[in-house]
Amino acid sequence: AQSVTQPDIHITVSEGASLELRCNYSYGATPYLFWYVQSPGQGLQLLLKYFSGDTLVQGIKGFEAEFKRSQSSFNLRKPSVHWSDAAEYFCAVAGTGGFKTIFGAGTRLFVKA
Amino acid sequence: DGGITQSPKYLFRKEGQNVTLSCEQNLNHDAMYWYRQDPGQGLRLIYYSQIVNDFQKGDIAEGYSVSREKKESFPLTVTSAQKNPTAFYLCASETSYNEQFFGPGTRLTVL
Repeated sequence: AQSVTQPDIHITVSEGASLELRCNYSYGATPYLFWYVQSPGQGLQLLLKYFSGDTLVQGIKGFEAEFKRSQSSFNLRKPSVHWSDAAEYFCAVAGTGGFKTIFGAGTRLFVKA
Repeated sequence: DGGITQSPKYLFRKEGQNVTLSCEQNLNHDAMYWYRQDPGQGLRLIYYSQIVNDFQKGDIAEGYSVSREKKESFPLTVTSAQKNPTAFYLCASETSYNEQFFGPGTRLTVL
């Protein structure tokens, strides 16, 4: 069955430090992969997406993610975190043939001064 | 500007009352979704529609109903059969590549 796992419920990083949020998926073919961000009380916003081609994708707000087929992973990274990055981050997987999008449980990011 | 609108932003429901949450999009997307989010929880799929006049139940459809009479609109009714409706409700539309665009959400509280 298709699934998405975000192993970390919450992560705390210092402002200016690097960030990596983990995402593992289970899907039978090459998936479409996404990272979304949600600030408290708001809807989700797309950060970046992977469909095919270059496995390192760049997104908005200085985020990037790398698709690793051998590890079934799509980890989100940022070299230097800003206080405004504090939010909840959701990884999602989708595919062709009417396969509906599945979201991970989310990782809440806390940024300390 | 293209996007998704949800109304109202806050909604209060009395016991035994049905309420309808509005979701409108002008992105010309065929697919639309309703999710429920509880504090500290991820997204749970209530209903989705991939085309006008057709919709499917998601993982937690009991106590909810939807309609899709127009491409732009996908209203969600929370019925009195939903025993614990207090939550944050998110509507989304989706491109043909499964990229989802979300509305700002409606927070429903049962009094």
